[in-house]
Amino acid sequence: GAVVSQHPSWVICKSGTSVKIECRSLDFQATTMFWYRQFPKQSLMLMATSNEGSKATYEQGVEKDKFLINHASLTLSTLTVTSAHPEDSSFYICSARGGKSETQYFGPGTRLLVL
Amino acid sequence: GENVEQHPSTLSVQEGDSAVIKCTYSDSASNYFPWYKQELGKRPQLIIDIRSNVGEKKDQRIAVTLNKTAKHFSLHITETQPEDSAVYFCAARGAAGNKLTFGGGTRVLVKP
Repeated sequence: GAVVSQHPSWVICKSGTSVKIECRSLDFQATTMFWYRQFPKQSLMLMATSNEGSKATYEQGVEKDKFLINHASLTLSTLTVTSAHPEDSSFYICSARGGKSETQYFGPGTRLLVL
Repeated sequence: GENVEQHPSTLSVQEGDSAVIKCTYSDSASNYFPWYKQELGKRPQLIIDIRSNVGEKKDQRIAVTLNKTAKHFSLHITETQPEDSAVYFCAARGAAGNKLTFGGGTRVLVKP
């Protein structure tokens, strides 16, 4: 299957700083990328959908000025958590889908801890 | 929007027995239904999927059935093994949208 990478896998930061997470599709062109947040023992919560070259579509309740998403190329999307606070601590997972394929492949996730 | 309900939330089975997880969806126009397996601390992995023009699909010990009329689909795992222990998520994609809506997940424990 297709491979999606995500970096960093772990990040610890101080409250008030910004953190950038990268998501890359390694062997296919990801026309659409998705960003999810997952709390312990809970389901995947979609934060936003991004199509290459256009603005991301955010889910209701997700602050677009806090979670900045950029999908500048067909293989790279970034999520920046701006002015992070302890309540932003979570597991963030990206997912990618290419062309006409219906299959969505997930990255390994990034565990963010804000102190 | 689409709403996906998944049951049970936890499932404990003896090794060798079968496990069944059920999901219902609300959008009758949904046309794609994948199942993902997520081990602790790892990424969700696609294990099987089914499209709305198919009623059943099988891949070795795993099968998925879809009942469009009743708007429900199920995952069946036969001859369960300890390595099947994980959290399983069902999902549905509506015809109008691009995104998957996930069920709440089922934590499966296979006891040796």
